[in-house]
Amino acid sequence: GAVVSQHPSWVICKSGTSVKIECRSLDFQATTMFWYRQFPKQSLMLMATSNEGSKATYEQGVEKDKFLINHASLTLSTLTVTSAHPEDSSFYICSARDLRGATYNEQFFGPGTRLTVL
Amino acid sequence: EDKVVQSPLSLVVHEGDTVTLNCSYEVTNFRSLLWYKQEKKAPTFLFMLTSSGIEKKSGRLSSILDKKELSSILNITATQTGDSAIYLCAGGSNYKLTFGKGTLLTVNP
Repeated sequence: GAVVSQHPSWVICKSGTSVKIECRSLDFQATTMFWYRQFPKQSLMLMATSNEGSKATYEQGVEKDKFLINHASLTLSTLTVTSAHPEDSSFYICSARDLRGATYNEQFFGPGTRLTVL
Repeated sequence: EDKVVQSPLSLVVHEGDTVTLNCSYEVTNFRSLLWYKQEKKAPTFLFMLTSSGIEKKSGRLSSILDKKELSSILNITATQTGDSAIYLCAGGSNYKLTFGKGTLLTVNP
């Protein structure tokens, strides 16, 4: 159980375009979803936390107008990188958890999306 | 600001060796300490620790939390080449996880 999928698994785009990444919880309802970014040889950095039906909470230094997050349902959250630039190239990983479960902090990770901006 | 520090940052061992990975944390409203293994893609869950002094085991891997010292260790016995990965430690608060930089473990045959 507790499977999280991401789509696409990789994407290459031109500078200035927007890219949408989807994160789905397949067999549970995700009251909260998290978006992380990971640069090569670095750890996961939390970008934002999204709760279903409300606005996302962004971490310090993350531009909310550049990284648009929507969590419209209990099984789907999307991250849109607007006007992408080469420095946005990274590995984007989502995770999800069900607050109604017993294991409060356990998060289930998606397989990640490799974004390359040319 | 919450902080999680892992050591060593990298480690090279031979198959059959036993390794101990360290994690220390400073997390406001601490709830739990989690360990993940990351190979080429996203992290896979290993352990979640909430109580001090209680060891969790899964095969050759085990982990324990020391809330007094604000630390945790992950032990891997009889290492195999398939254990080569980045091991991430994360401190969980009321609403989020803060990750350490990870320990890159390389197990040579």
